[in-house]
Amino acid sequence: EAGVAQSPRYKIIEKRQSVAFWCNPISGHATLYWYQQILGQGPKLLIQFQNNGVVDDSQLPKDRFSAERLKGVDSTLKIQPAKLEDSAVYLCASSFLQDPMNTEAFFGQGTRLTVV
Amino acid sequence: AQTVTQSQPEMSVQEAETVTLSCTYDTSESDYYLFWYKQPPSRQMILVIRQEAYKQQNATENRFSVNFQKAAKSFSLKISDSQLGDAAMYFCAYRNPGDDKIIFGKGTRLHILP
Repeated sequence: EAGVAQSPRYKIIEKRQSVAFWCNPISGHATLYWYQQILGQGPKLLIQFQNNGVVDDSQLPKDRFSAERLKGVDSTLKIQPAKLEDSAVYLCASSFLQDPMNTEAFFGQGTRLTVV
Repeated sequence: AQTVTQSQPEMSVQEAETVTLSCTYDTSESDYYLFWYKQPPSRQMILVIRQEAYKQQNATENRFSVNFQKAAKSFSLKISDSQLGDAAMYFCAYRNPGDDKIIFGKGTRLHILP
């Protein structure tokens, strides 16, 4: 079974530039998460989708971050303009929707963003 | 709002020994799921073990087991016969079945001493 795919693996940009990350979840997973993980800290939920609808984006800095999930499958996360404090690993995860037999989320390998 | 607390930023254990990582959480829900994830330097989050809150029996996966104390809202991970490959960040996570939200603790970095 193919896992969660993310690209790119690494990205270096200058502050005020824009960047986009892509995620392809596991087939059949209705729930998709984007997390921001700053070095040495735990993942912080940025946005959660169920199919193509947003469930929670309360911690997404909406003045600079945006995300979409077209057709309830792939998702993109965009930052525009980037700030130095956006340097982090961006993790995408997916899971079945409210399935008591399949409760865990599966993670991609993440994108390490460095803003200089 | 639910919260997850890991009070041990770092721990070390001798190879082949046993170590316990602590986690507490706060929720008003009665039904939920708890997880321990491992994150090696490769960044890939890997599920170690899961526990359903309605189950009284503690989950076990080979050398990994949990001590789930629902009333105390405590969920510790015990690693027996520690191996060099166990060195990683370990994250405790809580999932609310109502909205599928998953919240993580800040993590514990585990060092294995040869």
